[in-house]
Amino acid sequence: NAGVMQNPRHLVRRRGQEARLRCSPMKGHSHVYWYRQLPEEGLKFMVYLQKENIIDESGMPKERFSAEFPKEGPSILRIQQVVRGDSAAYFCASSPIGTENTGELFFGEGSRLTVL
Amino acid sequence: SQQGEEDPQALSIQEGENATMNCSYKTSINNLQWYRQNSGRGLVHLILIRSNEREKHSGRLRVTLDTSKKSSSLLITASRAADTASYFCATVGYGGSQGNLIFGKGTKLSVKP
Repeated sequence: NAGVMQNPRHLVRRRGQEARLRCSPMKGHSHVYWYRQLPEEGLKFMVYLQKENIIDESGMPKERFSAEFPKEGPSILRIQQVVRGDSAAYFCASSPIGTENTGELFFGEGSRLTVL
Repeated sequence: SQQGEEDPQALSIQEGENATMNCSYKTSINNLQWYRQNSGRGLVHLILIRSNEREKHSGRLRVTLDTSKKSSSLLITASRAADTASYFCATVGYGGSQGNLIFGKGTKLSVKP
């Protein structure tokens, strides 16, 4: 029973390019969350998705960032026109249906984005 | 604004000793969780304590919650070198969406063999 799978694990982009990060939740999990972690910091919530729906995007920057979780396939976090400040580790987490308000999340190993 | 704040920021102990980490938060909560993160890895859920609970145990872990002081503590007994990691508390406030966890900056624990 594979855990949350994220790829790529490491991604290097030049300023102005696009970054696409993928996340496959644990089997049986229908809720996906994206978090960002700057060096020596805690995680910051970005967005919460269910299949084909964005439930809470209160942590997403207003521009350049978007997320989706299509009916088929992984969840994608897309960052357009990357800037150096986007360099961070991006973590995906998932949870099974029916754990409303318990909050326990299962995290992937993260995708580390470096913007040159 | 930061909800959870861990204290101390860093802790260094010898194997076999106990490690205590504290967390303070600002608003009312449904529950409080502790996670561990090994260097360069993802977070692993350790334990969840609900707002109506005062103490919870899991193996060598003991968590307390004082809602009147808006604080929690994580105690790791008989520490091992493998416990070396960063430890984060996380909360979901009342009205917060599921999974919108607010993490502190963490306590970096180093257990020396």
